[in-house]
This record gives sequence, structure tokens and C-alpha cells, in this order.
Amino acid sequence: GDSVTQMEGPVTLSEEAFLTINCTYTATGYPSLFWYVQYPGEGLQLLLKATKADDKGSNKGFEATYRKETTSFHLEKGSVQVSDSAVYFCALNRGGADGLTFGKGTHLIIQP
Amino acid sequence: DTGVSQNPRHKITKRGQNVTFRCDPISEHNRLYWYRQTLGQGPEFLTYFQNEAQLEKSRLLSDRFSAERPKGSFSTLEIQRTEQGDSAMYLCASSYERWSEAFFGQGTRLTVV
Repeated sequence: GDSVTQMEGPVTLSEEAFLTINCTYTATGYPSLFWYVQYPGEGLQLLLKATKADDKGSNKGFEATYRKETTSFHLEKGSVQVSDSAVYFCALNRGGADGLTFGKGTHLIIQP
Repeated sequence: DTGVSQNPRHKITKRGQNVTFRCDPISEHNRLYWYRQTLGQGPEFLTYFQNEAQLEKSRLLSDRFSAERPKGSFSTLEIQRTEQGDSAMYLCASSYERWSEAFFGQGTRLTVV
């Protein structure tokens, strides 16, 4: 079945550091890929998406590129802020009746 | 606010009681999903509606769980005879197309004591 694997956290960085959160997936066909962010006690917010190979999704300084050859969708940001502290989820959608398949999430902590 | 709305935000119930949660999706979305999220895990798919039809329910956790979407608008998720293991965040999401992103509500946090 479909699966998403993310790097385990917590990931602790200093403010203004470069961020990479790794995500790889296993799925048949050509899924759409997503990153969601979850702040404490809240639901999930869509951060960015990519719908086909080599697409780059970007939002709020975050970027991720759909790499079909490596089945990856790594999240990057050049300079993180304390306000970026949250849990980040990588997800795929193969268009099936079960909607999105999520990774376990990566807890990001940014220290001032 | 035109986002996905869930009520209540928090529910504390005694073991053995029934609980019902409500989800109001984004109005133009005909696809509605329920997920469960436990601490430190990603959301786990439970069930899916397209309009009023429940097209996938095999992943509901037990026969104590049921969901409805009677007129293709809001949806309810009911858990009968709650158990402590049912304590979790229950998330509702809606989407416009089968390949598109889902928009999530803020969730209902259930605590069974």
C-alpha cells in the first residue's frame, strides 16, 4: 500500500538556520504531494503542494520539489524563524477513496 | 469564515457513553473525510463521503464507529460505547477534486475517562 516516510524529530535549529526535512514516499501511479503544518492544539494547514514530477511547491519561504526518480519531496527553508516551530507532515494523494496518506510528522523547534 | 468547521472542539466523556461530532465542510466541496490522530502520529483515515454517499468505510476502527452525511452537506461521526483507547483528535477535511489538497478543520479532541 501507499506510505510516506519522514525524518524523525524533534529537529532543533537556531533562528536563521537552513532547514531540510526529508520525505520519501511509496505509491503506485503518480500521486500529488503535499506538506501540511500543525500548530499546537490546531488542525492541519496546507503549506505547499506539487502535482507532477519536477514541480516545485512554495509558500512562506518554504519549498519542496517533486522528485519522481528518488520518490522524494523534501521540505526546505533558507532561514527559519521561531514562529516556524510546529509539526510538519508530508502527505500524498493518489486520487483514491482514502484521500491523503500521511507521514508520522516531524516536530520542528526553532530556538531564538 | 468559509473554512471547515468542527464542533465541539473538546469533548470529555465517561467510558461507555456515546459521543457525536459534527463537521461542516467548505460549501462547494463535495468530498468529505474523517481522520483520527493520536499523539505523535499522523492523521489516520477513517471514512470518506462523496456528496451523501459513503464510498469508503472499511477503515472505521470498529462497528462502534459510524458516520453520516445525510444531505451531502454537514457530516457527523458517532462513537458508541466509548473506550479509553478512543481518546484522540478527530479531524474532518473536505476537498473539491479527487486529486486535490484537503482542507482540515481544527479537530475535536476526545478524552474518555
